Amino acid sequence: EPEVTQTPSHQVTQMGQEVILRCVPISNHLYFYWYRQILGQKVEFLVSFYNNEISEKSEIFDDQFSVERPDGSNFTLKIRSTKLEDSAMYFCASTREAPLYEQYFGPGTRLTVT
Amino acid sequence: KQEVTQIPAALSVPEGENLVLNCSFTDSAIYNLQWFRQDPGKGLTSLLLIQSSQREQTSGRLNASLDKSSGRSTLYIAASQPGDSATYLCAVTYGNNRLAFGKGNQVVVIP
Repeated sequence: EPEVTQTPSHQVTQMGQEVILRCVPISNHLYFYWYRQILGQKVEFLVSFYNNEISEKSEIFDDQFSVERPDGSNFTLKIRSTKLEDSAMYFCASTREAPLYEQYFGPGTRLTVT
Repeated sequence: KQEVTQIPAALSVPEGENLVLNCSFTDSAIYNLQWFRQDPGKGLTSLLLIQSSQREQTSGRLNASLDKSSGRSTLYIAASQPGDSATYLCAVTYGNNRLAFGKGNQVVVIP
């Protein structure tokens, strides 16, 4: 069964460094998302992406964040200058058609900022 | 702003009992509602999706109901097993197809 994959599974970085989190959505899906979950808190929406552009972003998704679909399979989240409070589990999700179909989530990347 | 609440936050049941997990949301203008399972330190596994026009959805031992007008959904798990121990998350799709999540119901099934 097709699934969303994410790399790396765990990333440790120092404050102020740039990180890129990678995702491979399910191949026939057209809508892509990033969410994050800070330890012990709710899963929070960051951004949605369709047709090579951002369709919606939350207030969390400030100028430090960017997303890109550099080729036909990958979907990336870049954090330019990481802060301690960016430490969280980051989930990528995709769906075939929004908003009627399920969003399928990847296993997540645990980002630790020291 | 859409707020999703799940009650109870945690519960323990003996194996074989039925589980009832509740979810409420503040804005009834939703497209659909999804229930997920999350194991510790892991990703989210989609269990059921209920469209806003539906009243319930079933998959095996799982049954989810939706009352959109009152902003409520209930997930029933029949004849619980130790393998059902996990956190169950409720999420609604609203706005420009973003998901808003509850904090989850942490379930322990005691053998």
